[in-house]
Amino acid sequence: NAGVTQTPKFRILKIGQSMTLQCAQDMNHNYMYWYRQDPGMGLKLIYYSVGAGITDKGEVPNGYNVSRSTTEDFPLRLELAAPSQTSVYFCASTFRPGDGQPQHFGDGTRLSIL
Amino acid sequence: GENVEQHPSTLSVQEGDSAVIKCTYSDSASNYFPWYKQELGKGPQLIIDIRSNVGEKKDQRIAVTLNKTAKHFSLHITETQPEDSAVYFCAVSNQGGKLIFGQGTELSVKP
Repeated sequence: NAGVTQTPKFRILKIGQSMTLQCAQDMNHNYMYWYRQDPGMGLKLIYYSVGAGITDKGEVPNGYNVSRSTTEDFPLRLELAAPSQTSVYFCASTFRPGDGQPQHFGDGTRLSIL
Repeated sequence: GENVEQHPSTLSVQEGDSAVIKCTYSDSASNYFPWYKQELGKGPQLIIDIRSNVGEKKDQRIAVTLNKTAKHFSLHITETQPEDSAVYFCAVSNQGGKLIFGQGTELSVKP
């Protein structure tokens, strides 16, 4: 049972380039989340999804897009990379958040924009 | 919106001592309070959680206490060991299920 898998683990981008961060979970969780973690800070919610075909903005959505075509996958897209998007990105999933079910996190993608 | 403050930002203890990390929150509707441990290069992992209808919960050397009136909750680690060294995050959630995280506490346990 792999849990939440994120790829790639590391990436360096040039300003203005685009890329997709991949996230997949094999726990049949409906709820999935994308966070960013800046140095010395907590995690900030970028986007989340409550099921296939349904996505919504979190605290810091600007500069990002998501899609959810299947239950398993929740990719995060950066269209025009900016230095402010240098961060560590975490994907998480859970079965039923309103009932105190924990979120399970992947090991992150470390992204540098130069 | 919800605001979560976590203190201290760094904490250094001797092996065998206790460690306490505190969080305060602003939204009285919040009803779920998890604590996550993050080791270097890894994602956060849930270590203990508490719901709003409970005042205290314990799991071996780890305990969490909740004071809903004062809107604060704390993580207590007893008999600390070097492998407890990590960054700890508190978080708060309401019925909507979205987590709001504190800023994190870097715990260092010295042998």
